[in-house]
Amino acid sequence: EAGVTQSPTHLIKTRGQQATLRCSPISGHTSVYWYQQALGLGLQFLLWYDEGEERNRGNFPPRFSGRQFPNYSSELNVNALELEDSALYLCASSPGRTGGTDTQYFGPGTRLTVL
Amino acid sequence: AQSVTQPDIHITVSEGASLELRCNYSYGATPYLFWYVQSPGQGLQLLLKYFSGDTLVQGIKGFEAEFKRSQSSFNLRKPSVHWSDAAEYFCAVVPNTNAGKSTFGDGTTLTVKP
Repeated sequence: EAGVTQSPTHLIKTRGQQATLRCSPISGHTSVYWYQQALGLGLQFLLWYDEGEERNRGNFPPRFSGRQFPNYSSELNVNALELEDSALYLCASSPGRTGGTDTQYFGPGTRLTVL
Repeated sequence: AQSVTQPDIHITVSEGASLELRCNYSYGATPYLFWYVQSPGQGLQLLLKYFSGDTLVQGIKGFEAEFKRSQSSFNLRKPSVHWSDAAEYFCAVVPNTNAGKSTFGDGTTLTVKP
C-alpha cells in the first residue's frame, strides 16, 4: 500500500511569489493535515481537511490556504511568500473516522526555499 | 492552550545502553499522546501512541512509553539502543475533542556512540 506522497520534493521561489504544494493521502484516508517545520520553530500545525472541508487551522496568516479535492488529495497554497516561509512542509493523512484524533501518517515533505 | 515540553534538546548514548526521552504535557484533560521519529530528510514515523487503558505502551523498533497522569508525562524508553536509532524524536499531543490539532514538542536529537 502506497504511503502519503508529496510533490514537489523541493521548491524554490522568490519573495512575493506564490507556492503550491500537493499531497496525496493513503488510499481510504479522508483526513489530510499540513504542518510547517521551520528551523528553530519546531513542527507547527497549519491546516486540517476532512471530507473536503477545512476543519481547523493553526495560528498562521490567511495567505496560507488550501483545499481538499473530491479524491481527498490536497493542496497547500502560500501567497506573498516571505523569507521566513522557508521550511519543510509535511502532509499527513488519517482515516478520519474519529474526528481528528486518528493516528496520522506522514509524507516525506516538501522543502520550500524562499530567496 | 495545550503545550508539550521535551526538556532534552540533544541526548548522546552509547550503542547498547538504555535510553529514556522525556515528554511533559500541559492540557486540561488527558489528551491522546504520540511519539514519532524523524530521520534526516524524512517525514515522521509513528513509534507508539496512548489513547487510554494500560499506561505502558509498546511500540515499534523495541520502544515503549509510560503514561503517568500524576506527572503529566509520557516518557519514551528503549532498553538497548542501536546505531540506527539515531534520529530526532518528537512527542505530540492531540486533545480528546474533535480538533485535529496536534501540538508537537520541539524534539530531542539522539546521537548514538559506537
